[in-house]
Amino acid sequence: EAGVTQFPSHSVIEKGQTVTLRCDPISGHDNLYWYRRVMGKEIKFLLHFVKESKQDESGMPNNRFLAERTGGTYSTLKVQPAELEDSGVYFCASSLGDLETQYFGPGTRLLVL
Amino acid sequence: QKEVEQNSGPLSVPEGAIASLNCTYSDRGSQSFFWYRQYSGKSPELIMSIYSNGDKEDGRFTAQLNKASQYVSLLIRDSQPSDSATYLCAAAGGYSTLTFGKGTMLLVSP
Repeated sequence: EAGVTQFPSHSVIEKGQTVTLRCDPISGHDNLYWYRRVMGKEIKFLLHFVKESKQDESGMPNNRFLAERTGGTYSTLKVQPAELEDSGVYFCASSLGDLETQYFGPGTRLLVL
Repeated sequence: QKEVEQNSGPLSVPEGAIASLNCTYSDRGSQSFFWYRQYSGKSPELIMSIYSNGDKEDGRFTAQLNKASQYVSLLIRDSQPSDSATYLCAAAGGYSTLTFGKGTMLLVSP
């Protein structure tokens, strides 16, 4: 069974540009989460989808971040315009049901210059 | 604000020894607790979950939970060099979102 996949693995962009990160959850997992780890800090929750609906987006830092999950399959996280403080590792995780084990993807390392 | 605190380490133990990793959490509403292992540059991998007070054993790993003290620990018996990684403690409340600690780096020397 394929795990959670994320694309790209790395992205280097300039301040003000737009970047879109993609996450493909484990097949059949209705729950999809986005987390972010800024250097020196802990992994922090961004938002949670149940199928195509946003269950909880309390962790989204500001309106420069837009997450979508059309059709309840893969998800995208767009940062527009990117700022220096957006640099970090963005993890996606999925779970079969709510409160069940979350399986993490390898992450996308974003560097904003 | 919900917080999970861990000693950043590194915690150094010789091969074959017991490694003891600890964390505390601030939210008394937390119901589920998890230990993830993360190798450098890799994704966090769940190794243990615990929901009730007491001990839970799985192979060389034992998770311990004390809700009164808001304390979670992970014991690794017969530590191996391959156990060298960062161990992340996480807590979840009524909802499934995880609150992570910064992680403790474990180094097991041959």
